[in-house]
Amino acid sequence: AQTVTQSQPEMSVQEAETVTLSCTYDTSESDYYLFWYKQPPSRQMILVIRQEAYKQQNATENRFSVNFQKAAKSFSLKISDSQLGDAAMYFCAYMRDNNNDMRFGAGTRLTVKP
Amino acid sequence: DAGVTQSPTHLIKTRGQQVTLRCSPKSGHDTVSWYQQALGQGPQFIFQYYEEEERQRGNFPDRFSGHQFPNYSSELNVNALLLGDSALYLCASSLEKYSGANVLTFGAGSRLTVL
Repeated sequence: AQTVTQSQPEMSVQEAETVTLSCTYDTSESDYYLFWYKQPPSRQMILVIRQEAYKQQNATENRFSVNFQKAAKSFSLKISDSQLGDAAMYFCAYMRDNNNDMRFGAGTRLTVKP
Repeated sequence: DAGVTQSPTHLIKTRGQQVTLRCSPKSGHDTVSWYQQALGQGPQFIFQYYEEEERQRGNFPDRFSGHQFPNYSSELNVNALLLGDSALYLCASSLEKYSGANVLTFGAGSRLTVL
């Protein structure tokens, strides 16, 4: 069974600083996708970044980047130049290729201090 | 461009009752997935609908059922409610032809409280 583990229930960062959120996953599959979703108090899950497992290059979206280590089954999210609007729950998620069951971790609550 | 809309936003039911939650997918999307998010946890996959049929189901009992209409909107029905069914129910839509990329657009959810 595929599982996703987020070992940091809470993280805090100073505005304009950089923070890294950790995620590990367990799978025997070779083709899959990994995601980071942000869930603000409004409850709507917002896609932050997506990584295809077959791509060695780490995905980047503006201030958000990932460190994808396939052999170690690790998928961390780095947020640079943190902003107050980045404060939210962040969920790491895994989905097997050609499968519709997205598996989520328990989430990391990120606080941004002004 | 409207995103995914869900109704109702909040509702309270008692044990044993039945509930129906509704979802309208993002314009242009044809696939709808439902997730249950218990307090303090990540979402769990309930099932996905495409072409008005349940295509895949997660580890949820038959008390959870759904429907997809010709306009791609969907309903989630839960019968014989248990206290443990209290959760945020999230609807997510996607476009089938991009299923390999599995990019989901989520709604803001329906908060169900079972007393």
